[in-house]
Amino acid sequence: KQEVTQIPAALSVPEGENLVLNCSFTDSAIYNLQWFRQDPGKGLTSLLLIQSSQREQTSGRLNASLDKSSGRSTLYIAASQPGDSATYLCSGANNLFFGTGTRLTVIP
Amino acid sequence: NAGVTQTPKFRILKIGQSMTLQCTQDMNHNYMYWYRQDPGMGLKLIYYSVGAGITDKGEVPNGYNVSRSTTEDFPLRLELAAPSQTSVYFCASSYKGVTYGYTFGSGTRLTVV
Repeated sequence: KQEVTQIPAALSVPEGENLVLNCSFTDSAIYNLQWFRQDPGKGLTSLLLIQSSQREQTSGRLNASLDKSSGRSTLYIAASQPGDSATYLCSGANNLFFGTGTRLTVIP
Repeated sequence: NAGVTQTPKFRILKIGQSMTLQCTQDMNHNYMYWYRQDPGMGLKLIYYSVGAGITDKGEVPNGYNVSRSTTEDFPLRLELAAPSQTSVYFCASSYKGVTYGYTFGSGTRLTVV
């Protein structure tokens, strides 16, 4: 069974700092890897999708990478802003398996 | 364009009661999904549907039922509510799978007492 882990569970950084969120999975047959953002009391918003044949995707200040051989994906956020404060979740295998999320707080 | 609409937003049920969580999308999406999210946990897939008349079990289907009589609607039925079903339930839709992007509803917070 696929297990998806996100460490750390919570992270606080000062505004302007660059940061990396981690996502680890146990089965390399992850097909694709997606990163979501979840604001309190809201649904999920898709940020980046890495297809099985791709290694990374970029959107604005966000960059996500996927390394199937090591079972890891990272989400890089450049020049963090208070508006980036949210919980970030990764999911794999066509969104069948979700990580537990990293709660990010960006301090002004 | 409303997207994915879930009702109700909050509900308290007594053990053994039944209820239906409603999910409607107006984007003509073929694929629809039901997830549950327990506190501090990721989402777990309950059921999904790839089109009207077709439904399939996800990772945690026990205690739930679904139907898909129309493209727009994908209700989730709890027949005998149990405390273990206390959770936040999310409905999502997609045109044709993850490649085309998912749209999530805002969730239904269910408490079973």
